Amino acid sequence: DQQVKQNSPSLSVQEGRISILNCDYTNSMFDYFLWYKKYPAEGPTFLISISSIKDKNEDGRFTVFLNKSAKHLSLHIVPSQPGDSAVYFCAASDPWGNKLVFGAGTILRVKS
Amino acid sequence: EPEVTQTPSHQVTQMGQEVILRCVPISNHLYFYWYRQILGQKVEFLVSFYNNEISEKSEIFDDQFSVERPDGSNFTLKIRSTKLEDSAMYFCASSPGGRVETQYFGPGTRLLVL
Repeated sequence: DQQVKQNSPSLSVQEGRISILNCDYTNSMFDYFLWYKKYPAEGPTFLISISSIKDKNEDGRFTVFLNKSAKHLSLHIVPSQPGDSAVYFCAASDPWGNKLVFGAGTILRVKS
Repeated sequence: EPEVTQTPSHQVTQMGQEVILRCVPISNHLYFYWYRQILGQKVEFLVSFYNNEISEKSEIFDDQFSVERPDGSNFTLKIRSTKLEDSAMYFCASSPGGRVETQYFGPGTRLLVL
């Protein structure tokens, strides 16, 4: 089941620069998208979400962009900080909304 | 800040034994979920629960699994007869309203079946 794909297993970025994490989806019924951050031995922590009626949502250093025609979303972190180093998961839900479908995750390393 | 809690943090069991994983969702949330993550794999949906009944379950959630909300605060996942392949991190989540919106996850229970 590859409905949500994060094709980059890892990303390394210098502190202060922009981190861009990408996510693609195949199910056109998905209408709500979320990004979660996860540290080892902890549960996923909600970061930011976007509804399909929007193409951008911003919260502090985090911005999510949604391109529905391309079935693509991205998370921008500006400026990146060493504490941002974690695994980032993209997740999606459909209008019936009972479950989240997760991508495989991208390991972000922010170097100081 | 309210959070989802889970106990135990780690559980080791023998194949064929029953295990119960416990969760305390955020107090005013109405929707509850279990997910699991096998080492090196994706986080996978198991089951959602609302108004004291299952609202959706995945194909993983077979007859060996059950969920219960025995009182006003706890939400449990029972695996009746564990298999080796049940070894995983199990996450409980809850959300406030009638739509997925944002699900808030607990820290997880690491289950190891020997």
